[in-house]
Amino acid sequence: QSALTQPASVSGSPGQSITISCTGTSSDVGGYNYVSWYQQHPGKAPKLMIYEVSNRPSGVSNRFSGSKSGNTASLTISGLQAEDEADYYCSSYTSSSTLIFGGGTKLTVL
Amino acid sequence: EVQLLESGGGLEQPGGSLRLSCAASGFTFSSYAMSWVRQAPGKGLEWVSTFSVSGGITYYADSVKGRFTVSRDNSKNTLYLQMNSLRADDTAVYYCAKAKRVTIGGMDVWGQGTSVTVS
Repeated sequence: QSALTQPASVSGSPGQSITISCTGTSSDVGGYNYVSWYQQHPGKAPKLMIYEVSNRPSGVSNRFSGSKSGNTASLTISGLQAEDEADYYCSSYTSSSTLIFGGGTKLTVL
Repeated sequence: EVQLLESGGGLEQPGGSLRLSCAASGFTFSSYAMSWVRQAPGKGLEWVSTFSVSGGITYYADSVKGRFTVSRDNSKNTLYLQMNSLRADDTAVYYCAKAKRVTIGGMDVWGQGTSVTVS
């Protein structure tokens, strides 16, 4: 199964909002509300930012929000900060009882 | 403090075997599904395997099915990954991760990773 499709890179200035898309199929993103988003800084382990489409774990800033429409999920970061610069990955449960990740998006804060 | 600590990585020849361990602390290990996720050098994340809580059900990515075996010892709060018939494309940092809620879904606690090189 191919990876979920994410833009390779996005950028924004401090204080702005950006959205990262994650496109799959009806067998994964579109079929289940088990989409998650992870932030990964260089050399660090991933950090869960959003689970089950739109839920934020405790301790994650409310500047991070998730949504889904059809086969595409989205992560929105509002009020961009320098510390948000990182790689972001989406993931989804699939109809094959597996987990699939997106290829990752590099966020640059200008 | 909730913590996962992987070990067992290293350099292995193609066709060889390695056993990774993941020691958990700070939470009720037996109550959560646990997974392995890997990341090849300079590449993205790839889910490898999950061990469920109930029924001992295991799940594998097609890329490792038949070669890797996930297991857990709840008495030792430890997750394992037995890797056989290793290939060059298994080279990666291997992370273990705790399920947030559902068996295969968000993972809210990650270890620091252990590096596996097959060459």
